[in-house]
Amino acid sequence: SQQGEEDPQALSIQEGENATMNCSYKTSINNLQWYRQNSGRGLVHLILIRSNEREKHSGRLRVTLDTSKKSSSLLITASRAADTASYFCATDASRGSNYKLTFGKGTLLTVNP
Amino acid sequence: EPEVTQTPSHQVTQMGQEVILRCVPISNHLYFYWYRQILGQKVEFLVSFYNNEISEKSEIFDDQFSVERPDGSNFTLKIRSTKLEDSAMYFCASSVRGRSDTQYFGPGTRLTVL
Repeated sequence: SQQGEEDPQALSIQEGENATMNCSYKTSINNLQWYRQNSGRGLVHLILIRSNEREKHSGRLRVTLDTSKKSSSLLITASRAADTASYFCATDASRGSNYKLTFGKGTLLTVNP
Repeated sequence: EPEVTQTPSHQVTQMGQEVILRCVPISNHLYFYWYRQILGQKVEFLVSFYNNEISEKSEIFDDQFSVERPDGSNFTLKIRSTKLEDSAMYFCASSVRGRSDTQYFGPGTRLTVL
């Protein structure tokens, strides 16, 4: 798999349920960021977790990072129809590039009212 | 809350024409970026820019592409002779610092090359 691969590719849930999306990556990282993209729109930054952090919360979002497994998860609790969007993880490599983010293909989340 | 803005939101051009995509980064940010997303594909890094010079570029960013910060607020991406495969959503982003910092993205410019 390539750097920043999310799974599942698509997830459909009912409003009020929790949604969990996963991301795997290959190289060592400085941090991992999660973004949301509504259909055809821009990328909205959700949360950044650094390589020395294991868990981070922001409102209804909970992100975990396991650097030994090179994976991260994004949990959205008590989902709402407005959470319907694509969710991407993006990593910045700890070696080589200083600047670029490498994105995964994303998870398309559909929250049904 | 400050945000990155981009103009135009949609640009349609003929193959071979030059296009300039414009961005206004967040005012106290020092690092600027362009990414693109071909329909249905991943967001891909094109270039980063700091202190009035390119700090990093990808293999996509060939001689047909150039970036400029013509004044204290704008950051532009120029494609000299567009190709059909340049059709994509182009995102500008900015950050306060470079390495390990949050990058804030604009709403994007959808470029359609006919």
